[in-house]
Amino acid sequence: DAKTTQPNSMESNEEEPVHLPCNHSTISGTDYIHWYRQLPSQGPEYVIHGLTSNVNNRMASLAIAEDRKSSTLILHRATLRDAAVYYCILESLLGGSARQLTFGSGTQLTVLP
Amino acid sequence: DAMVIQNPRYQVTQFGKPVTLSCSQTLNHNVMYWYQQKSSQAPKLLFHYYDKDFNNEADTPDNFQSRRPNTSFCFLDIRSPGLGDAAMYLCATSRSLAGSRQFFGPGTRLTVL
Repeated sequence: DAKTTQPNSMESNEEEPVHLPCNHSTISGTDYIHWYRQLPSQGPEYVIHGLTSNVNNRMASLAIAEDRKSSTLILHRATLRDAAVYYCILESLLGGSARQLTFGSGTQLTVLP
Repeated sequence: DAMVIQNPRYQVTQFGKPVTLSCSQTLNHNVMYWYQQKSSQAPKLLFHYYDKDFNNEADTPDNFQSRRPNTSFCFLDIRSPGLGDAAMYLCATSRSLAGSRQFFGPGTRLTVL
């Protein structure tokens, strides 16, 4: 079974870049890598996802290692509103419409003013 | 405008008394998911529907059932809630399967007395 590992917590200063790592050494070739974030008492919010190539969107960038066994979520300029728990998730296709979603334990990001 | 709606936001039930949580969506997405999230833990996928095709996670207890009468609605039934079932229950939708972004509702917090 796929497994993801994330640090429990990280700190960043406001307006500085943040690099949130995720290890997924058991990833298989068709597994997607997703990142979501969650504020207290809210549902998770999509951040970014990718398969093999690096991805950019208006919220963040996703850097995927060449062997795909790790990835890094990059917030280019952290703001106080980026303080949240960030989850790294592997999506595995099991056949038909069955899927497995393996969540990391999440990284609590604190942004310091 | 709310896209994934969960009712109620807070639900209190008694030990062993059946309870139903509801989720509706205005996105016309094919896939609907139910997650359980306990305090300070990552969400755990219970099951999902691709259209009417139901997929149950292997470790989801039999006590948890789901119904999807149409595209817009999905229900989570807990037949005999135990104290260990107290959690936040999250509903999510996605347009399709592989690599598809999920949209989460705000969750229903279930208390079992």
